[in-house]
Amino acid sequence: GAGVSQSPSNKVTEKGKDVELRCDPISGHTALYWYRQSLGQGLEFLIYFQGNSAPDKSGLPSDRFSAERTGGSVSTLTIQRTQQEDSAVYLCASSSPGGETQYFGPGTRLLVL
Amino acid sequence: QQQVKQSPQSLIVQKGGISIINCAYENTAFDYFPWYQQFPGKGPALLIAIRPDVSEKKEGRFTISFNKSAKQFSLHIMDSQPGDSATYFCAASKAGTASKLTFGTGTRLQVTL
Repeated sequence: GAGVSQSPSNKVTEKGKDVELRCDPISGHTALYWYRQSLGQGLEFLIYFQGNSAPDKSGLPSDRFSAERTGGSVSTLTIQRTQQEDSAVYLCASSSPGGETQYFGPGTRLLVL
Repeated sequence: QQQVKQSPQSLIVQKGGISIINCAYENTAFDYFPWYQQFPGKGPALLIAIRPDVSEKKEGRFTISFNKSAKQFSLHIMDSQPGDSATYFCAASKAGTASKLTFGTGTRLQVTL
């Protein structure tokens, strides 16, 4: 079956612009996570969805970052007024009901000029 | 505060040798410890995982050793192969499913011929 997909795969934007990153989880997976991977760093948790609600938003670095999930499936991570320090790989993962394993997508590589 | 510390940052091993990567955690509430493998341009993929009720888990050439009292765990790759060249991340999460992962900073492994 299909894995987690993310789009776009690469995004170059200018400082101050808004960007939207999309994640399509594995069908039937109720939990969805966003992580950020900066150069030379580990993966940093951003936000977690269970269904359409987000019980844990503790990792969002600022109010410029927001995310939503609709229909218990697709999720969008929005970064407003992008800054150069937002440049990173944004990874999405999903897990099945009752499952511990998180399955990651290929990521979106964001470059803010 | 880095809750999961990983070492070494990089590792070069000859083909057929043993690769060892170490991690230490601080939060005693963690009770699920997965290792992820990441190839360039790809998302991380689960390699092997362990819970604290066992001291060792082996899957093929990959073994996790776990020391609960020391709050340390390690990944051993036996008979390392060039195809094992990748970045490896340890991670930890708290009890219960759908729990966010806290990652180490990663180890870049290169297996030479």
